[in-house]
Amino acid sequence: NAGVMQNPRHLVRRRGQEARLRCSPMKGHSHVYWYRQLPEEGLKFMVYLQKENIIDESGMPKERFSAEFPKEGPSILRIQQVVRGDSAAYFCASSLDPSNQPQHFGDGTRLSIL
Amino acid sequence: GESVGLHLPTLSVQEGDNSIINCAYSNSASDYFIWYKQESGKGPQFIIDIRSNMDKRQGQRVTVLLNKTVKHLSLQIAATQPGDSAVYFCAENIGGAQKLVFGQGTRLTINP
Repeated sequence: NAGVMQNPRHLVRRRGQEARLRCSPMKGHSHVYWYRQLPEEGLKFMVYLQKENIIDESGMPKERFSAEFPKEGPSILRIQQVVRGDSAAYFCASSLDPSNQPQHFGDGTRLSIL
Repeated sequence: GESVGLHLPTLSVQEGDNSIINCAYSNSASDYFIWYKQESGKGPQFIIDIRSNMDKRQGQRVTVLLNKTVKHLSLQIAATQPGDSAVYFCAENIGGAQKLVFGQGTRLTINP
């Protein structure tokens, strides 16, 4: 029973490039979340999606960041024109029923901006 | 030993002792709480959860206590083992929001 799968595990980009982070939720889970974590800090919510819909994007920066969860395929977090401050670990979580089931996390993508 | 888990403090315990990790949550509307364990280079791993209509829940070697009056949550780990070394986070789900708000975490280290 595979868990939440994220790729790549490590991603290096130069300033101004685009970063694409992928997340495949656990089988049967239609609720997907993205969080960002800086060193020595807790995770910060970014966006909550269900299939083909963005439910809550209150934690997403207004510019350069976007997320999708298409009907087929993984969820994608896209960061355009990356800057040094985007360096962080990005975690994806999925849930079967967020009202009474825990979110299960992948092992994250570590994004480094040169 | 005890530690308040909002500024990534460190809690050191002897192997075999019990560990208590504390967390103060912020929102009285939070109705679901989760403890996660995060090892270096990995994602948060679910340990145990508790709903706001309960004040105690037990798992294997772990117990979560919830005090809604003072908005306090604790995680007790019995007979701490070297494999318990990690950063522990509490997370609250604010009713209806369907997103988790994480505390800063507590680093647990085990002395042999």
